[in-house]
Amino acid sequence: DARVTQTPRHKVTEMGQEVTMRCQPILGHNTVFWYRQTMMQGLELLAYFRNRAPLDDSGMPKDRFSAEMPDATLATLKIQPSEPRDSAVYFCASGFEAETLAKNIQYFGAGTRLSVL
Amino acid sequence: KQEVTQIPAALSVPEGENLVLNCSFTDSAIYNLQWFRQDPGKGLTSLLLIQSSQREQTSGRLNASLDKSSGRSTLYIAASQPGDSATYLCAVGKAAGNKLTFGGGTRVLVKP
Repeated sequence: DARVTQTPRHKVTEMGQEVTMRCQPILGHNTVFWYRQTMMQGLELLAYFRNRAPLDDSGMPKDRFSAEMPDATLATLKIQPSEPRDSAVYFCASGFEAETLAKNIQYFGAGTRLSVL
Repeated sequence: KQEVTQIPAALSVPEGENLVLNCSFTDSAIYNLQWFRQDPGKGLTSLLLIQSSQREQTSGRLNASLDKSSGRSTLYIAASQPGDSATYLCAVGKAAGNKLTFGGGTRVLVKP
């Protein structure tokens, strides 16, 4: 049963601490997306990778957020330093380039619920 | 900038009733539109995808229509069941391989 795996599922941290969220895309997928979901803003795209290269990270606050793909099986989203306003659910999604390009099809993970106190 | 709105934000119906969920978008120059389902504590699952050249898509009890010129899409769920209780989100794509812009979602409760 192929699925996008995100860890941790829940994270509680204090303001100022570094937070790292991890995503394992579905094997063979070469597009990866990071989203943030809050009650106020809904679901927003933070970053988009194709073949491990960042294509669009315009939705990501650059001063504290960074997204990388060290290899094809791992995507990371880091926040340093974290702030209470970063509290949200962070979703990773992946897809086949052909499906993504043709139809914008993405497969979502279960998310990481982050609480910054 | 594309804005996607879903009204109502929440909906409660008795089992067996048909559900009608609305989605509107401000920029009619879209590539496609998708309807997703989100269960509490879970990710999003794509239900239906409508390309901009299509007017509707059907899957089982689900039917989605698209009126691009008026910037609207409607998701119909026939004969609702308690298992249909979830949040439903619509998302529009401006271009192939481009980012999706999501609506705020409609939270649906189907009472037995």
